Amino acid sequence: GNSVTQMEGPVTLSEEAFLTINCTYTATGYPSLFWYVQYPGEGLQLLLKATKADDKGSNKGFEATYRKETTSFHLEKGSVQVSDSAVYFCALFGRKYIFGTGTRLKVLA
Amino acid sequence: DAGVTQSPTHLIKTRGQQVTLRCSPKSGHDTVSWYQQALGQGPQFIFQYYEEEERQRGNFPDRFSGHQFPNYSSELNVNALLLGDSALYLCASSLINPEGGYGYTFGSGTRLTVV
Repeated sequence: GNSVTQMEGPVTLSEEAFLTINCTYTATGYPSLFWYVQYPGEGLQLLLKATKADDKGSNKGFEATYRKETTSFHLEKGSVQVSDSAVYFCALFGRKYIFGTGTRLKVLA
Repeated sequence: DAGVTQSPTHLIKTRGQQVTLRCSPKSGHDTVSWYQQALGQGPQFIFQYYEEEERQRGNFPDRFSGHQFPNYSSELNVNALLLGDSALYLCASSLINPEGGYGYTFGSGTRLTVV
């Protein structure tokens, strides 16, 4: 079946550091891929998406590229801020969402 | 434009009891999906409702049931609560055929604690 694997956290960075959160997937067909963010005490917010191979999703300085050959969708940001501290979920969508286990990011001032 | 509204926000129940969680979808959406997010885990799909019928179901026991009303709002019912049912329950609304998963709106969830 479909599945998503993402790196375990927590990831702790200093402000303005470079961020990478790895995500790989297993799927039949060609699912859409997503990154969602969850701030403390809140639900899920869509961060970015990509619907086909080689698509790059981007939003608020975050980027991820749909790599079919490596079945990956790694999340990157060039310079993180304290306000980026949250839990990040990689997900794929076939007929429903399949989420990874989440990666907690802590950014220190 | 109101998003997805879930109630209550927090709930404490005793093992063996029954619970009902409620969800009002975003205006214009006709489909509601429910997810269970255990502590430290990603959300897991429970089921999806459209036209007042269950259209898809994840790997959850029959203790989990739902309903959708003519105004598209939905309820999630859990019977015979277990400690392991403690989780954040998320409702997501959409149109029945969203483009590749885009167009889902998630609510802030109901935090259920079973003691």
